[in-house]
Amino acid sequence: EIVLTQSPATLSLSPGERATLSCRASQSVSSSLAWYQQKPGQVPRLLIYDASNRATGIPARFSGSGSGTDFTLTISSLEPEDFAVYFCQQRTHWPRTFGGGTKVEIK
Amino acid sequence: EVQLVESGGGVVRPGGSLRLSCAASGFTFHDYGMSWVRQAPGKGLEWVSGINWSGERTSYADSVKGRFTISRDNAKNSLYLQMKSVRDEDTALYYCARDPDSLGFDPWGQGTLVIVSS
Repeated sequence: EIVLTQSPATLSLSPGERATLSCRASQSVSSSLAWYQQKPGQVPRLLIYDASNRATGIPARFSGSGSGTDFTLTISSLEPEDFAVYFCQQRTHWPRTFGGGTKVEIK
Repeated sequence: EVQLVESGGGVVRPGGSLRLSCAASGFTFHDYGMSWVRQAPGKGLEWVSGINWSGERTSYADSVKGRFTISRDNAKNSLYLQMKSVRDEDTALYYCARDPDSLGFDPWGQGTLVIVSS
């Protein structure tokens, strides 16, 4: 099973700041990595697929990068609605494991 | 509108059984793999099980292997999760999600809550 480790666990930032979230895989997943956003009481929403492709309707301030074992989700300038929990997921193999999540909170 | 609606959750005793269902609409169900994902209260996401478009290939998380069975009925546009020998740690909100070969899980259903309690 591929283990995904997300860091940091919590990121405290102010609106307008840049957020950089990391996801590291225990073995290569090539570019088969997705990112999701989940707000309290809501269903997870797909943000990024195949490491760097924005899903339909996702604002350009969200970007993904990386391949192999190291991946990054960047939010260029945080909007109030971006404070949420973010999960990465590898899609190379079953089981399709998730990372433990990074909470982006208001500083 | 592409939509997934789960049902079948509830309170079940440890060691008991429960069958979850997921009704799909707005897309060609038999073209897509599907997965179940769960989220325990206040915790992260845990992938539970997946099935390919035809139902011939399935996979399970180690935590549920041998206890849960995923299946689908393409004629009814429905996905199922048969849960047996449930444990306290199976308490969670269970989501079904469309799981295409590329892209990511999208959409997700609203979830159905399973509570394991004596």
